[in-house]
Amino acid sequence: GESVGLHLPTLSVQEGDNSIINCAYSNSASDYFIWYKQESGKGPQFIIDIRSNMDKRQGQRVTVLLNKTVKHLSLQIAATQPGDSAVYFCAENEGAQKLVFGQGTRLTINP
Amino acid sequence: DAGVTQSPTHLIKTRGQHVTLRCSPISGHKSVSWYQQVLGQGPQFIFQYYEKEERGRGNFPDRFSARQFPNYSSELNVNALLLGDSALYLCASSLAVGSNSPLHFGNGTRLTVT
Repeated sequence: GESVGLHLPTLSVQEGDNSIINCAYSNSASDYFIWYKQESGKGPQFIIDIRSNMDKRQGQRVTVLLNKTVKHLSLQIAATQPGDSAVYFCAENEGAQKLVFGQGTRLTINP
Repeated sequence: DAGVTQSPTHLIKTRGQHVTLRCSPISGHKSVSWYQQVLGQGPQFIFQYYEKEERGRGNFPDRFSARQFPNYSSELNVNALLLGDSALYLCASSLAVGSNSPLHFGNGTRLTVT
């Protein structure tokens, strides 16, 4: 099975609220994690990454948190907008850029 | 700047046929990777190439092969197509091999095998 998975397959949030997407990974040796956003008909778009020597990293409206103790990763999106509607994947680097993806979480925005 | 470009965007083939998919990386990127994404699932790693050499291979049968050219573009070949090969095939490029180079994906080739 997949070594990276997501707790929820779907997430609905109100426009303007914050979104939190969770991810669990199983390979404790992984040292690099990435979040991707995939819109319908497009390839995955890089959002943010984090290395295992960090526990938090912030980008524009997004924050990734890494908890190595429980092997958990989360993506926080502030002030969610309609354009944030997509499927979000976390991915774990197993070395030489072999990424292992989870099944994804579909984020829908309610007006 | 152009991102990763893939061709064709859509393709329909019959079981047993052969297919070639093409990818041009972002300018300056020397590493190309291929992923297969079945509907409703995350992408699965097929190959990685760097400087024209295979650097990694996923759990795919020998019907799948790839190569990288001197200009860093790449082809993915699949022989003896099966219905189960129907998927979105994604190409990704990066500056180099290693954790310091995030992958940037193209929009994929949608392959349908009938």
